Formats: sequence, structure tokens, C-alpha cells
Amino acid sequence: SAVISQKPSRDICQRGTSLTIQCQVDSQVTMMFWYRQQPGQSLTLIATANQGSEATYESGFVIDKFPISRPNLTFSTLTVSNMSPEDSSIYLCSVDETGARGGYTFGSGTRLTVV
Amino acid sequence: GENVEQHPSTLSVQEGDSAVIKCTYSDSASNYFPWYKQELGKRPQLIIDIRSNVGEKKDQRIAVTLNKTAKHFSLHITETQPEDSAVYFCAASPTGNQFYFGTGTSLTVIP
Repeated sequence: SAVISQKPSRDICQRGTSLTIQCQVDSQVTMMFWYRQQPGQSLTLIATANQGSEATYESGFVIDKFPISRPNLTFSTLTVSNMSPEDSSIYLCSVDETGARGGYTFGSGTRLTVV
Repeated sequence: GENVEQHPSTLSVQEGDSAVIKCTYSDSASNYFPWYKQELGKRPQLIIDIRSNVGEKKDQRIAVTLNKTAKHFSLHITETQPEDSAVYFCAASPTGNQFYFGTGTSLTVIP
């Protein structure tokens, strides 16, 4: 299965600032996905990142707050903008391997704390 | 979008007993249903999945059943072991790649 490197692994940020999370995959993938997992909660899909086109955002998530880049088939970034304590969460990128082994492979996650 | 409900939220079983986790989904277009296991502080890992053209799938001590008519699917773990203790998430996919997750079940296997 794909190997996904995600960084930073954790960060503590001041409110009002922005953090960019990077996700690198060891193979070319068409779609990459960004999820949020709040403490003790489930995983919520933020957006789907396609190479060469705008990301597709789920209800409740907007581009101004979570801008996404997808410059090539192995890399994506998610920025959490103008952060507030409510943004404290684990952010995970994932790639779709339903055509291969099935399901998603997740990155190791970024644990974000906003103070 | 798809709405996935999962029950129970917590489950405790004695080692060797069986555990069953149930999920329902709302979108009849969903055709792929994976299950993930997440240990504390780790990323979710796929443990089993089922597609809508199959009613049941088994992999050693783990099995998943799907009832498309009723829009529900279940995870069955037999002969539970302490290392099965984790949070389990079901998911449904109407598109084949965008997944919508259930709320999770924290399973504790008591030695």
C-alpha cells in the first residue's frame, strides 16, 4: 500500500495565525483527501484534492478557511487559516486505494492545538 | 451527503466472547463499506471491507455482513483478544472514494 508522510506531526499555534500541513505520497495518486478528527470523535471529510483542479469541499468547510493545494500527483497541502481554539484537532490526509488493496491509507496525522 | 450511524458507542466483552458493531447508512447509492480500527494515538487502519454486490465477507476472526435493503451493515469479531481493544469506525462511500464515517465504537476486551 501507499506510504504517506505527513508533517508536521504536531504543533501548538496562536489563535489568529495559520498552519500549513504537508502530505507526501510515495506513488502517484489521482485523489487525495483531507479529514479532521476532533478529540475522541469520528473522522469528518474536509475536502477532496484533485491535481489540476480546485478542491471540492464538504458542507461546513470553505476554501477561505481551509485552502488546499495539489501541485502534482504525489503532494498536497492543507492550510488552517485564522485559527481559533475550535480548530484544535487531528488533521489527516489520505489516499484512495479502493482500486488496489481497498479503502483508504491514512497519513500519520497532524495534531494541532490552538491556544 | 451520506449519513452513517454507528452503535454502540462503547462495548466491553470478556476475552473469547464475540463482539458485534452495527452501522446504518442513508444514501442508497453507497456501494462500498470499509471498517477501520484505530488504536490510541495511531492512524486508522483498514481491517475489512465489503462491496454492495456481496452479502457477507469473512477474514479469519472478523466478518462483515451487509443488508442493502435495510441499509445496514455489521462487524463481527469472534474469539476476541485483548489486542482487539481499540476504536472501530464503519464508513460508507456513495462515490467509491469519498468516505463518510460512523461515530466510532470503543471496544474493550477484558482479559
